[in-house]
Amino acid sequence: NAGVTQTPKFQVLKTGQSMTLQCAQDMNHNSMYWYRQDPGMGLRLIYYSASEGTTDKGEVPNGYNVSRLNKREFSLRLESAAPSQTSVYFCASSPTRGNTEAFFGQGTRLTVV
Amino acid sequence: QKEVEQDPGPLSVPEGAIVSLNCTYSNSAFQYFMWYRQYSRKGPELLMYTYSSGNKEDGRFTAQVDKSSKYISLFIRDSQPSDSATYLCAMSVPSDTGRRALTFGSGTRLQVQP
Repeated sequence: NAGVTQTPKFQVLKTGQSMTLQCAQDMNHNSMYWYRQDPGMGLRLIYYSASEGTTDKGEVPNGYNVSRLNKREFSLRLESAAPSQTSVYFCASSPTRGNTEAFFGQGTRLTVV
Repeated sequence: QKEVEQDPGPLSVPEGAIVSLNCTYSNSAFQYFMWYRQYSRKGPELLMYTYSSGNKEDGRFTAQVDKSSKYISLFIRDSQPSDSATYLCAMSVPSDTGRRALTFGSGTRLQVQP
């Protein structure tokens, strides 16, 4: 019963470094999402993938890129990390394109110094 | 102005109290309404899901949607210390409108005192 698995759970980066956050789901869901969560801001959508082979920008895409590697995996890349990208990142998946019920991973706590 | 507004709390209640959590929204196209519960340092988990207006009950939890007022509520009866968490409301429009993701409130932190 793994659901949505994110790696790593914690990461500290220096300004300008790059890294990729990994996400995999085993529920055969079509749609996958990356959110960031900041105090007082709730969850904000970075990118989403409605189905394998497609990706679209969300509310806060600047500074990020994504890859939908296959139906199971959806990765988020920070090319040149900035302190403003310090946040908790959540990957989610949903069975339908409408995202009516999203299932979340445990999150990645990223600190950029 | 945010599309979804939610009082951040914290809301502190004694064990056994009835808790009322609320969200207001501005986008009349929202048709699907959800409540997520998030424990500290964990991912959100779906608690209740409602389509359009009306009430839905699941054990101690009741979700209400009033589309005419653009207002949704979550009631928790006989609250327990294990209910202490952050509660996030979320909404979405039908998929054929082109939008593909949920819009979240900022969350209300609830503390149930033993």
